[in-house]
Amino acid sequence: GENVEQHPSTLSVQEGDSAVIKCTYSDSASNYFPWYKQELGKRPQLIIDIRSNVGEKKDQRIAVTLNKTAKHFSLHITETQPEDSAVYFCAASGGNQFYFGTGTSLTVIP
Amino acid sequence: GAVVSQHPSRVICKSGTSVKIECRSLDFQATTMFWYRQFPKQSLMLMATSNEGSKATYEQGVEKDKFLINHASLTLSTLTVTSAHPEDSSFYICSARDSKRGTLNEQFFGPGTRLTVL
Repeated sequence: GENVEQHPSTLSVQEGDSAVIKCTYSDSASNYFPWYKQELGKRPQLIIDIRSNVGEKKDQRIAVTLNKTAKHFSLHITETQPEDSAVYFCAASGGNQFYFGTGTSLTVIP
Repeated sequence: GAVVSQHPSRVICKSGTSVKIECRSLDFQATTMFWYRQFPKQSLMLMATSNEGSKATYEQGVEKDKFLINHASLTLSTLTVTSAHPEDSSFYICSARDSKRGTLNEQFFGPGTRLTVL
């Protein structure tokens, strides 16, 4: 089955700085890579996703890059704001199931 | 669009009792739904894939006789935790895929159910 690793587990940045979270996956058949933001006790919210036929995707302050050869993908948040503080999960999917990374707790310090 | 609801949002029960959690797709049909379990400060762990009209597919290590899944219609899947014990206390989240959307992979998550077994 798919194995998704995520780093770092915790990340603190100053407001306005950038944050980068990295994930690796094991199954070369995976072709869809979403990123979710989850606040305490709430459902995961999709913030951005990328498919295997694309190397990079950007949506305002959020971007995701994918390296299929190396089997890793990264989330980049620029100009961080306190409301970006949450737990972020990456996931990989080759069809039906999603397999989630272990999560990154991001704290943006005002 | 693409709203998924769960009921109840929170449940407390005694050890040994069974608890049923419902997952509904409110504005779309979902041939496939997924059940996840999330322990505090941990990731979402896929428990099973629920397919409408057929048996669920369970992930390795998940007891199918303890976590009963029924997906009787295109908008409803239920998870029953049988003979619940304190170690079953967790946050259970369902998700669903829209059968008619062109995006084959996207999943929409329910708000989760907090189960506490005393």
